[in-house]
Parts: sequence; structure tokens; C-alpha cells
Amino acid sequence: GAGVSQTPSNKVTEKGKYVELRCDPISGHTALYWYRQSLGQGPEFLIYFQGTGAADDSGLPNDRFFAVRPEGSVSTLKIQRTERGDSAVYLCASSYSLSTEAFFGQGTRLTVV
Amino acid sequence: DAKTTQPNSMESNEEEPVHLPCNHSTISGTDYIHWYRQLPSQGPEYVIHGLTSNVNNRMASLAIAEDRKSSTLILHRATLRDAAVYYCILRDDTGANSKLTFGKGITLSVRP
Repeated sequence: GAGVSQTPSNKVTEKGKYVELRCDPISGHTALYWYRQSLGQGPEFLIYFQGTGAADDSGLPNDRFFAVRPEGSVSTLKIQRTERGDSAVYLCASSYSLSTEAFFGQGTRLTVV
Repeated sequence: DAKTTQPNSMESNEEEPVHLPCNHSTISGTDYIHWYRQLPSQGPEYVIHGLTSNVNNRMASLAIAEDRKSSTLILHRATLRDAAVYYCILRDDTGANSKLTFGKGITLSVRP
């Protein structure tokens, strides 16, 4: 079956612009996670959802970052007023439940110029 | 979050066994030990996890010390495709906090 799908795979944007990154989880997975990864580092937790609600958003770096999952399936990570330091690979993962293995997408490479 | 400590890197020869160590001296009773790996330009993928007993699956084996303060991921016959960053992660699978907290991992190189 289909895995976790992230779109776009690459995004180049200008400093100060708004971007949206989309994640389509595996069908039936209730938990959804967002991470970001800078070169040479492990993935850094941002937020996770259980169903439609954000269960833990402690990793969001500031109020420019926001994520939604309105129907408990697709999720969108929104970044306002992008900065060059936001450049990274943004990874999405989903799992059947909170205690089962997570399946990751290929990521969206965001470059802010 | 309970922390893990891994060497930065390790080299192996193809078709030989590989033992990847992980120290987690502050592990709590409800923490499960998870291993994920990340191939170049890919998202992480699940490898194996366990609580107390040693675990085997088609990808690898996980040996857990009796005091649970350390564990070892064992790849029985390394292939070139096993070259990746391997992350050892503790997670309380019984609680409400289910996020995976990644460190820097150990980079495994496999020589042909």
C-alpha cells in the first residue's frame, strides 16, 4: 500500500514568504508527527497529533510555525515570514497508534533564500 | 526525555556481523528501546524495539542488558544497503507521550 506522502518534495521560497507543507499519512493511522532535520543532525521533533488534536506541540520553535489536521488525516505545516534558518528537510511520520512503529515520508526540502 | 549515548561512527565489512552499541543509563521502567535507521536521502525507518527480552526480526536482533542500561543492535550479515545512520531511542510506549526523540545516531559504513 501507499506510504506516507509529502508534498512538495522540494520548495524554494524567499525570505519573508509564507509556505505550506503537506503530509498524507498512511490510511487508518491516527497519530501523525512532524520533524525537521538539518544537515548532519538527527530529526528534531516539532509536533504530533492524535486524531485532529495536537497532543504535543512543544517542539514548534516559535509562533511562526503552525500545523493543522482538521479531519484527522492530511496535515499541513504552515510557516509564516520564513527565515533563512528555517531551511531544512521537514519530515512527516504516521503510526497506527501512539505506541506502534512510525512510518516516515521522504520529506520536503525547504530552502529559504 | 531519557537520553541515549552512541558512538559517532562505525565501519564494517560486507557480509560480516555488525554490533551497534547504545548506552541508556537513565532508562526508566516503562521506556522501550527503539532503533530506527536513515538511509541517505530517505526518511527514517523502523528497525526493531524491545523492553527487556532480546528481540529478533527479519532485519536485525536487539540484545538488551539485564540491567537495561545498555543495548546492542545486531545486523547478522551487513550488506552495502545497510550503510545508514542508526538511531537508538527510548520511548515510554505506555504513556501519553509517544514522540520519538532522535539524537545524532551512529553512522555505519560498510566496506565491499
